[in-house]
Amino acid sequence: DAKTTQPNSMESNEEEPVHLPCNHSTISGTDYIHWYRQLPSQGPEYVIHGLTSNVNNRMASLAIAEDRKSSTLILHRATLRDAAVYYCIPLVTGYALNFGKGTSLLVTP
Amino acid sequence: DTGVSQDPRHKITKRGQNVTFRCDPISEHNRLYWYRQTLGQGPEFLTYFQNEAQLEKSRLLSNRFSAERPKGSFSTLEIQRTEQGDSAMYLCASSLGVGEPSTEAFFGQGTRLTVV
Repeated sequence: DAKTTQPNSMESNEEEPVHLPCNHSTISGTDYIHWYRQLPSQGPEYVIHGLTSNVNNRMASLAIAEDRKSSTLILHRATLRDAAVYYCIPLVTGYALNFGKGTSLLVTP
Repeated sequence: DTGVSQDPRHKITKRGQNVTFRCDPISEHNRLYWYRQTLGQGPEFLTYFQNEAQLEKSRLLSNRFSAERPKGSFSTLEIQRTEQGDSAMYLCASSLGVGEPSTEAFFGQGTRLTVV
């Protein structure tokens, strides 16, 4: 499995953009990069995923480095409800998610 | 459909007792996963079903743990002779598992087990 490195915690002000980095230098060419988040007392929820190109959805954007050794999850305007643990997960087809410890995001008003 | 449902939400049991948890996935999802999460850690994979077939088991799944998914619908996770180290949140997830290789997994709210 590809190993990931994420900061333990990050802090952001409400309504400001947040860039959550992830290093996955051992990722293979077929691993998709998934991001999930887990709000307090909730099960994880899917945020976004991509393979090579940058991706956008209603929740966030995913910027993938050209060499695919790193990616950045972008929350365009953080809200208090975005306070959660964010997990970056390289995923091979058909395999289960390997969560790691993630980044705990604190959003302050 | 209301999403992935887990029952019970909380379970307190005495050490040495057996417990069983149930997971009802989103209908038509053919993949079902079980995870365990302890305080301050990310979820850890336990096992995975494709329809009724159990395709992968983690080394974390000791011989006291058994999971089933009869008829490829709901799933049960049983822990025999519980130990205090089994205290954790047990999460279930399901996904379509067809089409694009990495489809979104939907998680339930989990069953919190406390072994006293």
